[in-house]
Amino acid sequence: KNEVEQSPQNLTAQEGEFITINCSYSVGISALHWLQQHPGGGIVSLFMLSSGKKKHGRLIATINIQEKHSSLHITASHPRDSAVYICAPNDMRFGAGTRLTVKP
Amino acid sequence: GAVVSQHPSRVICKSGTSVKIECRSLDFQATTMFWYRQFPKQSLMLMATSNEGSKATYEQGVEKDKFLINHASLTLSTLTVTSAHPEDSSFYICSARGLKLAGGMNTGELFFGEGSRLTVL
Repeated sequence: KNEVEQSPQNLTAQEGEFITINCSYSVGISALHWLQQHPGGGIVSLFMLSSGKKKHGRLIATINIQEKHSSLHITASHPRDSAVYICAPNDMRFGAGTRLTVKP
Repeated sequence: GAVVSQHPSRVICKSGTSVKIECRSLDFQATTMFWYRQFPKQSLMLMATSNEGSKATYEQGVEKDKFLINHASLTLSTLTVTSAHPEDSSFYICSARGLKLAGGMNTGELFFGEGSRLTVL
C-alpha cells in the first residue's frame, strides 16, 4: 500500500462543475500541502494545513487528522484550473497526483 | 508572496559533463531547501534535504557523489549533476521552507522553484 494515495488519478470535468480530489496517507504529518503543477512543470503551493479547513477563492481544502485524509475542492471549475494536483503530507512524501482537465 | 528562483530552467549537455542548478529564495531566509526529481508523468521524488552550513541529507538510492548539493548561504542552494549521463535526464525541482518572511512571519510553508529540465545527450 502506498504511503500517500490520491484519487482519482485522472478527472475530466465540464466548466462550472464542483471538483473533489481526495488524499489518504499513512505517513507522519507535519503540515499537509496541496500543490498545483501546470504543464510547464512549475509548482505552486495552494494550501498548507494541519487541521480543519482553509479556503482561498474557489479552492477549499479540508483535513481530518484522525482519519488521515484530506480533500481539495474546486467550486465553479474553469479550464484554467486544468493541472496536476498533488497532495504532500510532509516534505518527503508526495501523492502521485490527480490530473484534472476542465473542458469549456 | 515568497518567491523561489531556479536557474537554468532548461539545460542540454553532453554526456560526461557536469551541470549546476541554482535555487534561490528571493525574499526570505531558507535554512532548509529540498531537491526533487520528477520523471515524466510521475510524482516528485525527494532526492535530498539541504541545510544551510551543513552537509545535505540524501535519500536512499541517491548517489551523493553524483548529485552534489551545496547550501552555502540562507538564500542559495545548488545541485550539481556530475558526469551526467542520458539516464540523468529529468525535471529537477527545488523547494525552500519559509521561516521568516520580510515581515518576520514564521510560516513553515514550502515554496517551490519553477524547475529545471535537464537533457543529457
